Amino acid sequence: AQSVTQLGSHVSVSEGALVLLRCNYSSSVPPYLFWYVQYPNQGLQLLLKYTSAATLVKGINGFEAEFKKSETSFHLTKPSAHMSDAAEYFCAVSDQGGSYIPTFGRGTSLIVHP
Amino acid sequence: DADVTQTPRNRITKTGKRIMLECSQTKGHDRMYWYRQDPGLGLRLIYYSFDVKDINKGEISDGYSVSRQAQAKFSLSLESAIPNQTALYFCATSPTDFYGYTFGSGTRLTVV
Repeated sequence: AQSVTQLGSHVSVSEGALVLLRCNYSSSVPPYLFWYVQYPNQGLQLLLKYTSAATLVKGINGFEAEFKKSETSFHLTKPSAHMSDAAEYFCAVSDQGGSYIPTFGRGTSLIVHP
Repeated sequence: DADVTQTPRNRITKTGKRIMLECSQTKGHDRMYWYRQDPGLGLRLIYYSFDVKDINKGEISDGYSVSRQAQAKFSLSLESAIPNQTALYFCATSPTDFYGYTFGSGTRLTVV
């Protein structure tokens, strides 16, 4: 079964600083990979996804993620944090085969300081 | 109107009561899912359905049941609620395996 590890339950950055949220997965074959964002009192919203096309994926709100097969990673980045980026971020992974039901990481809370 | 609507948004119920959480969608997606979110645990799958006649258990289905009344409606029931079922519950939909999910706004359930 897939497992997903998000390093750091909380990440704190200053406004304007680089955002880096880490996600590692366990899979013997390239999976489908997703990042979701959850703002307070809301449901999750898809930020971006990797489905075997370009390894660098661009998403909404200036976020991007790079699939690195050798490192089994799919880290989320944004060059310059905004206050509005403060939210919970979830990485999800599904196998290409079987039911394709994604496994979610435990989430990383992004805190942005003025 | 939202693409995926969950009702109620908040609910407080007593131990032992039966409760139903409802989900309806206007996306036209065949696949629907129920997840539970607990702080620090991420999202855990309760049940999922790939079409009206298909119902499957997820990793934490004990104590829950579901009904897929139509393509657009997928309900989650707690037959006899217990305090450790206090959580945030999300319904989600998708058209395929790699498209990604559309989530509802969630139902915050408290069992006292």
